[in-house]
Amino acid sequence: SAVISQKPSRDICQRGTSLTIQCQVDSQVTMMFWYRQQPGQSLTLIATANQGSEATYESGFVIDKFPISRPNLTFSTLTVSNMSPEDSSIYLCSVASSGNTIYFGEGSWLTVV
Amino acid sequence: EDQVTQSPEALRLQEGESSSLNCSYTVSGLRGLFWYRQDPGKGPEFLFTLYSAGEEKEKERLKATLTKKESFLHITAPKPEDSATYLCAVNARSGGYNKLIFGAGTRLAVHP
Repeated sequence: SAVISQKPSRDICQRGTSLTIQCQVDSQVTMMFWYRQQPGQSLTLIATANQGSEATYESGFVIDKFPISRPNLTFSTLTVSNMSPEDSSIYLCSVASSGNTIYFGEGSWLTVV
Repeated sequence: EDQVTQSPEALRLQEGESSSLNCSYTVSGLRGLFWYRQDPGKGPEFLFTLYSAGEEKEKERLKATLTKKESFLHITAPKPEDSATYLCAVNARSGGYNKLIFGAGTRLAVHP
């Protein structure tokens, strides 16, 4: 299994600011994913981040709002830009292991006020 | 369009009362069906992956089964610590890569 650490685990942010979430994995992985889980909702894929290439965004998510970096095979960041209260969510990093199992981090709880 | 539907939305059981959660799916190019457990304030915890119809997997009081259209998560003699939201997801091929499509989840409450 993969151990995934996310920072911050929780934050309260001011409207209009940006926040960068970090995701560190204890082993090298090819595929990393970022999900959003809005209050009381299930998980929605934001983008897939592959090392050495641009992230692939899902419908409804754009790079200007959610820029992603993937500098190496164990680390990725997601930035939530120009935040509004509607961005209050849990943001989850996940990775695909060599056995095709997909593991999740503990999530980053963002509240925008 | 790829879709995952879970039922019931919420389930309340007495300790020891066995039941099943349902996950029905429509997807082109299924590359695995996943079950996760999510506790409040936590990320999803991986439980099982099923790949082909007829496949079954067990872990403690949980047993997952798969048909061509749906999966069941059977909970035998549940305990209060089994209370959580159970999420089903399918690994679908889209745009040349795999991605997980999640259902809305079933909130399970087991009372002593």
